[in-house]
Amino acid sequence: DAGVIQSPRHEVTEMGQEVTLRCKPISGHNSLFWYRQTMMRGLELLIYFNNNVPIDDSGMPEDRFSAKMPNASFSTLKIQPSEPRDSAVYFCASSLGGGHTGELFFGEGSRLTVL
Amino acid sequence: KQEVTQIPAALSVPEGENLVLNCSFTDSAIYNLQWFRQDPGKGLTSLLLIQSSQREQTSGRLNASLDKSSGRSTLYIAASQPGDSATYLCAVSSGNQFYFGTGTSLTVIP
Repeated sequence: DAGVIQSPRHEVTEMGQEVTLRCKPISGHNSLFWYRQTMMRGLELLIYFNNNVPIDDSGMPEDRFSAKMPNASFSTLKIQPSEPRDSAVYFCASSLGGGHTGELFFGEGSRLTVL
Repeated sequence: KQEVTQIPAALSVPEGENLVLNCSFTDSAIYNLQWFRQDPGKGLTSLLLIQSSQREQTSGRLNASLDKSSGRSTLYIAASQPGDSATYLCAVSSGNQFYFGTGTSLTVIP
């Protein structure tokens, strides 16, 4: 299997622009997670889906952030409008099993820079 | 709320040395504990997963142990190599989340 695939790997944009990050989980995995990593705050869970349904979005920082999972093989994380404080590495991860009981596999991340 | 701590934050050892990384957690009600490796600019790579009913897992030069009652896990790396240099994170699954430590940055000096 190719593992969790994220795109783009790097994104540089200007404040106010819309950013869309994409994720393809490992085939057969039914849980998908979006994390954000910064030096200051470490890894933060933004949202997670189980069987394509959002289960916990309490980590989404504000209404500018939204995530969708239209099918089992694709998810997006959108930021609109983007702000400099959104600069971070965004990771997608997937696992097999309900909730947080399975082994977690991460993608390579999308490094976002908002100028 | 579950809290995960990794000490030390950074560790530097000469090549060939055996070493132990520590992970502690406050709530023993966990599903599993996972050790990851993260290289600069890369994602997290899963190294070992220990289910809550297990005491240890081994993979090559790596051995991870779990003591739920004391809220501790250790990652033992035998005969360290410069290629082992990376940040090592542990994560516990508990309640409805994975809780991550802040990692130990390991440097193995040739």
